[in-house]
Amino acid sequence: AQSVTQPDARVTVSEGASLQLRCKYSSSGTPYLFWYVQYPRQGLQLLLKYYSGDPVVQGVNGFEAEFSKSNSSFHLRKASVHWSDSAVYFCVLSAAGSFNKLTFGAGTRLAVCP
Amino acid sequence: AQTIHQWPVAEIKAVGSPLSLGCTIKGKSSPNLYWYWQATGGTLQQLFYSITVGQVESVVQLNLSASRPKDDQFILSTEKLLLSHSGFYLCAWTGGQDTQYFGPGTRLLVL
Repeated sequence: AQSVTQPDARVTVSEGASLQLRCKYSSSGTPYLFWYVQYPRQGLQLLLKYYSGDPVVQGVNGFEAEFSKSNSSFHLRKASVHWSDSAVYFCVLSAAGSFNKLTFGAGTRLAVCP
Repeated sequence: AQTIHQWPVAEIKAVGSPLSLGCTIKGKSSPNLYWYWQATGGTLQQLFYSITVGQVESVVQLNLSASRPKDDQFILSTEKLLLSHSGFYLCAWTGGQDTQYFGPGTRLLVL
């Protein structure tokens, strides 16, 4: 069975502050992990993905994420947020060989205050 | 470059009326195609996926059906809408064993 937990439904940070959005996963197979962002009334855009190798992966717009097998986590980070980063962020899991079935976390709504 | 288009952009429909939502992918042959439903303020739930023309796998039906009449087209439909069908419908594609890329979505309100 697969599951993704994003423990923070809402996160509020000030512009220029650092950010960490948390994600914990459970997977019976090798996990493939993704972070997607959804801006208001839009589809999802891929931020970054992890398949294997270096546990720190770089994404678009200064985002990065760190995979930890021991902690079953895939936290998203950004050094300095901008007001335009306000959106909903989804952590997504796919088991190896099962790209046809994705498991989504509940999402974290990020609000960046000026 | 690949482009994914969904139609209509938004719909307001009456309970019990039929529905047809479409998704087209251009610039990619034999894509895997997917339908998702998102309740307002909620997460995404995968509904269907299709690996090839004429074949559709159901993940969660929600009294909906899907068809793939052409290589580049994926249709979501129902003969009778329910209030619970309201939400945001997203289509996605992959080239196979790869990342899913999402379309702009269709917003549906059932009254």
